[in-house]
Amino acid sequence: AQSVTQPDIHITVSEGASLELRCNYSYGATPYLFWYVQSPGQGLQLLLKYFSGDTLVQGIKGFEAEFKRSQSSFNLRKPSVHWSDAAEYFCAVGAGSNTGKLIFGQGTTLQVKP
Amino acid sequence: EAGVTQFPSHSVIEKGQTVTLRCDPISGHDNLYWYRRVMGKEIKFLLHFVKESKQDESGMPNNRFLAERTGGTYSTLKVQPAELEDSGVYFCASSQDRGGQAEQFFGPGTRLTVL
Repeated sequence: AQSVTQPDIHITVSEGASLELRCNYSYGATPYLFWYVQSPGQGLQLLLKYFSGDTLVQGIKGFEAEFKRSQSSFNLRKPSVHWSDAAEYFCAVGAGSNTGKLIFGQGTTLQVKP
Repeated sequence: EAGVTQFPSHSVIEKGQTVTLRCDPISGHDNLYWYRRVMGKEIKFLLHFVKESKQDESGMPNNRFLAERTGGTYSTLKVQPAELEDSGVYFCASSQDRGGQAEQFFGPGTRLTVL
């Protein structure tokens, strides 16, 4: 069965520091992978997605993620974090080409120190 | 363009009562999804509508939950009778396309507390 693991429940980084949020997935075929962000009081917003092709994908707000099939990972990165990046981040995998069902990780809460 | 809206934003009810959550998708989006996040757990899929038809309801926890999408526009999710374990945040999402690659747009969620 498909699953997604985000090992870090909570991460704190200083403003201006680099960020990497980890995501590991379990899926039998080439996965559809997504990163979403949720700010307080808001819905989930799509940061970026990977379906095929270049394994380094660029998203909004300066985020990028790299798909590594050998490690079953899709880690999210940002070179310099801004205070406004404080939010909860979710990694998700699409359950298949014929369904829109998403399987989510538990989420990682990012705190940014001034 | 308006995003996905959900009503109410919060609901507090007692065990055994009935609650109805509403979701208005983005206009023109045939696909509508319900998800739920119980405190401390991951967001879990409940069901997927294509227009007014249930495409996938594999995530519905039990028959106390009833989802409808009459006319293929807004959707309601009724919990009757509510139990303590139903507490959580219920998210609705919509997409224009069907399938695993479709970008889903999420609403802010309804926080349900069952006392």
